[in-house]
Amino acid sequence: AQSVTQLGSHVSVSEGALVLLRCNYSSSVPPYLFWYVQYPNQGLQLLLKYTSAATLVKGINGFEAEFKKSETSFHLTKPSAHMSDAAEYFCAVSPLSNTDKLIFGTGTRLQVFP
Amino acid sequence: EAGVTQFPSHSVIEKGQTVTLRCDPISGHDNLYWYRRVMGKEIKFLLHFVKESKQDESGMPNNRFLAERTGGTYSTLKVQPAELEDSGVYFCASSQDYGFEQYFGPGTRLTVT
Repeated sequence: AQSVTQLGSHVSVSEGALVLLRCNYSSSVPPYLFWYVQYPNQGLQLLLKYTSAATLVKGINGFEAEFKKSETSFHLTKPSAHMSDAAEYFCAVSPLSNTDKLIFGTGTRLQVFP
Repeated sequence: EAGVTQFPSHSVIEKGQTVTLRCDPISGHDNLYWYRRVMGKEIKFLLHFVKESKQDESGMPNNRFLAERTGGTYSTLKVQPAELEDSGVYFCASSQDYGFEQYFGPGTRLTVT
């Protein structure tokens, strides 16, 4: 069965610092991988997705993630944090073999200090 | 283009009562999904509609939950009778086709006291 592990329920960085949010997955088939962001009082918004094309995926708002099969990881990074990046981030996997339901991690709340 | 909308945004009910959540997907989206997040835990899949048919309801926790999508447009999720462990945020999402991006609504926060 597929599963997703997000290390660190809370991450704090200073404005301008590197953002690194960790995600590891387990899947018996090549998965599709996603990062979603939830800003306060809003729905989840897709940041980026990996669909077995390029292993380095660029998303919105300067975020990117690299698919590493050998490490079963899909970590999310951004070179320089902005105050507006403060939100909760969710990694998700979809097997897309017999279903396209999303399987989420527990989320990481990102706090950005001035 | 309007996004996915959910009503109500918050609901507080007593144990044993009934609550009905509503989701209006993006117009033209045949696929509609329900997810739930219990406090501090992961967002979990509940079920998936394709038009008015239930494609996958493997995540429905028990028979106190009933989801419908009459006419293949909006969907309702009824909890009857509600229990304390049903508290959480219920998300609805819709997509244009299988494997396409799922667009999420803002969620309904359900509190059962």
